[in-house]
Amino acid sequence: AQSVTQLGSHVSVSEGALVLLRCNYSSSVPPYLFWYVQYPNQGLQLLLKYTSAATLVKGINGFEAEFKKSETSFHLTKPSAHMSDAAEYFCAVSVNNAGNMLTFGGGTRLMVKP
Amino acid sequence: NAGVTQTPKFRILKIGQSMTLQCTQDMNHNYMYWYRQDPGMGLKLIYYSVGAGITDKGEVPNGYNVSRSTTEDFPLRLELAAPSQTSVYFCASRPTGGSGNTIYFGEGSWLTVV
Repeated sequence: AQSVTQLGSHVSVSEGALVLLRCNYSSSVPPYLFWYVQYPNQGLQLLLKYTSAATLVKGINGFEAEFKKSETSFHLTKPSAHMSDAAEYFCAVSVNNAGNMLTFGGGTRLMVKP
Repeated sequence: NAGVTQTPKFRILKIGQSMTLQCTQDMNHNYMYWYRQDPGMGLKLIYYSVGAGITDKGEVPNGYNVSRSTTEDFPLRLELAAPSQTSVYFCASRPTGGSGNTIYFGEGSWLTVV
């Protein structure tokens, strides 16, 4: 079975500072990895995904993530935080099985200070 | 495109009542899912379906039932509502072709059981 751990349930950064949200996964087979963002009272929107092509994946709103197999990590970064980045971020893993479902981490709430 | 549509968006239930959360998608996706999200937690899979007429349990199925009579619709039924079922419910869908495909989420249904 696969699992995801997001280190830090809350992360606070200043506007313009680097954003780093951590995600580590566990999977016995090659995984597909996703980052979703959830704005208050809204559904989940895909930020980016890793599907075994390039290990550095670029997503929407200036975010990117790097798949590191040796570290079983898929951390999300953005060079310069914007106030509009304040949201909940979820890392998720999926493997080819009967249901192809996503298994989510616990989420990280990003707060951006002016 | 409407994508994944859930109704109702908000509902308050009394303990012991029953209700159905409706979910429909217009993308002709074979895979559909129901997740619940509790405060400060990630999403947990309740049930999933790989096609019309086929459903299976996820991680937290107790107290829920589903059906999948058509490709488009995947309703979630709560029988004998309990306070522990207070949560935000998300319906999602995914095209056939492997777990690298994106899962698309609905806007969510906020349910309170009192």
